[in-house]
Amino acid sequence: ETGVTQTPRHLVMGMTNKKSLKCEQHLGHNAMYWYKQSAKKPLELMFVYNFKEQTENNSVPSRFSPECPNSSHLFLHLHTLQPEDSALYLCASSQGGLVEEQFFGPGTRLTVL
Amino acid sequence: DQQVKQNSPSLSVQEGRISILNCDYTNSMFDYFLWYKKYPAEGPTFLISISSIKDKNEDGRFTVFLNKSAKHLSLHIVPSQPGDSAVYFCAARVGGGSEKLVFGKGMKLTVNP
Repeated sequence: ETGVTQTPRHLVMGMTNKKSLKCEQHLGHNAMYWYKQSAKKPLELMFVYNFKEQTENNSVPSRFSPECPNSSHLFLHLHTLQPEDSALYLCASSQGGLVEEQFFGPGTRLTVL
Repeated sequence: DQQVKQNSPSLSVQEGRISILNCDYTNSMFDYFLWYKKYPAEGPTFLISISSIKDKNEDGRFTVFLNKSAKHLSLHIVPSQPGDSAVYFCAARVGGGSEKLVFGKGMKLTVNP
C-alpha cells in the first residue's frame, strides 16, 4: 500500500450505532488530519495530530472522537451521530513542521440514517 | 463566514485553450496558498502552491498568480487537456505556526476535446 488509505470507503449507520473510521499513511509523515466535506460546502478541518498529539480541535462535537495511536494511524470513533453528520470524511497527512502539502486519502462516504 | 471563496462553481473550456480558475480570500494573515485537484471517488491531490511573499509560481502547464492587494489568486492551465477535467480547490494556510488549511468550495473544470 502506498500513500494514504482509508477504510471503510462507504459506511451506513443508524443514529444509535458505534463505528470507527480508519486511516493509515505509508509516507513517513508526522502530522495527520481529519476533514469533513458536506454537500456543497468547503472541506472543514476537524482535528490535527502532530507526533501523535492532538494540536487542533476545530470545535467538533464530542460524538466524534479521534484517536492517534502512532504517527501512521488515525481513527475517528463515531457514536450517536445525527443525519446531518452524513458527509465525506477525508484523512490527510503531511510531513509536519510547517511543510504545506497535505496528502489525502480517498475518503469514507458516511450515511447516517 | 467563508474566508476562501471560489465564486464560480464550474468552468468549461476547449482542449488546448487556457483555463483560468479564480479564488478570493479575506484573511490577510494567510501565508501560503495551495491548489488541489480532485477526481471522483478519490481524495484531493496537491497541484501547486505559492508563498504569500511571491506573486507567481510556475510548474509546467500550471501557473499560480497571487495579488495580495486584491486578496486574489488564480490558477492558469495552458494548454488545457481533457485529463485536467476535475474539481479544483483553492486552500490557504492560516499561518502563525498553524498547519490549518482553509478550503474553498471547489470549482468543476471540464475540458472538452
